[in-house]
Amino acid sequence: LAKTTQPISMDSYEGQEVNITCSHNNIATNDYITWYQQFPSQGPRFIIQGYKTKVTNEVASLFIPADRKSSTLSLPRVSLSDTAVYYCLVAPDSSYKLIFGSGTRLLVRP
Amino acid sequence: IAGITQAPTSQILAAGRRMTLRCTQDMRHNAMYWYRQDLGLGLRLIHYSNTAGTTGKGEVPDGYSVSRANTDDFPLTLASAVPSQTSVYFCASSELAGGDTDTQYFGPGTRLTVL
Repeated sequence: LAKTTQPISMDSYEGQEVNITCSHNNIATNDYITWYQQFPSQGPRFIIQGYKTKVTNEVASLFIPADRKSSTLSLPRVSLSDTAVYYCLVAPDSSYKLIFGSGTRLLVRP
Repeated sequence: IAGITQAPTSQILAAGRRMTLRCTQDMRHNAMYWYRQDLGLGLRLIHYSNTAGTTGKGEVPDGYSVSRANTDDFPLTLASAVPSQTSVYFCASSELAGGDTDTQYFGPGTRLTVL
């Protein structure tokens, strides 16, 4: 499974756009990129998944360049409730072996 | 719809005791998983089951056992608890039906302290 590298922590302010970049240099052809969000004292929650280019849903956007060696999770206009840990995962389609790294701890300030 | 329920919510256990953490899902998902999360770290997969009647080892299986007698339940047993098993335990499930959207759904977690 491809190893991922993402910043340990990020700070932002309410209303700003937050971009969290994840590096996955050894991504394989059949790997998908998935992001999960975890609030304190809760289990992780799926945010978004993509294979290439751009994916957007009601929560976030995921940008994946052509070489797929990195990806960027974009959270538009964050609020205090977006304070959480964000995990970038790379795994083959339908893989049960998800590897959660340490994630990026996002703190949104008033 | 409850999704995934876990019991107990928290437990303090003496070392050497046997403990079973319960997990039930009502989504009729094929696959179920157990993870542990230690302070400041990501989740690590303990055991998994792709379908009822089958189980497999994850990244950190030692000291834990699981069974999958039916689709809905996936209990995790610590035969003889040790302090290093103090952690928060998350159960998850996924449809595992193929395609690019096999999302894992997580339960609320069980906080276990072994003294």
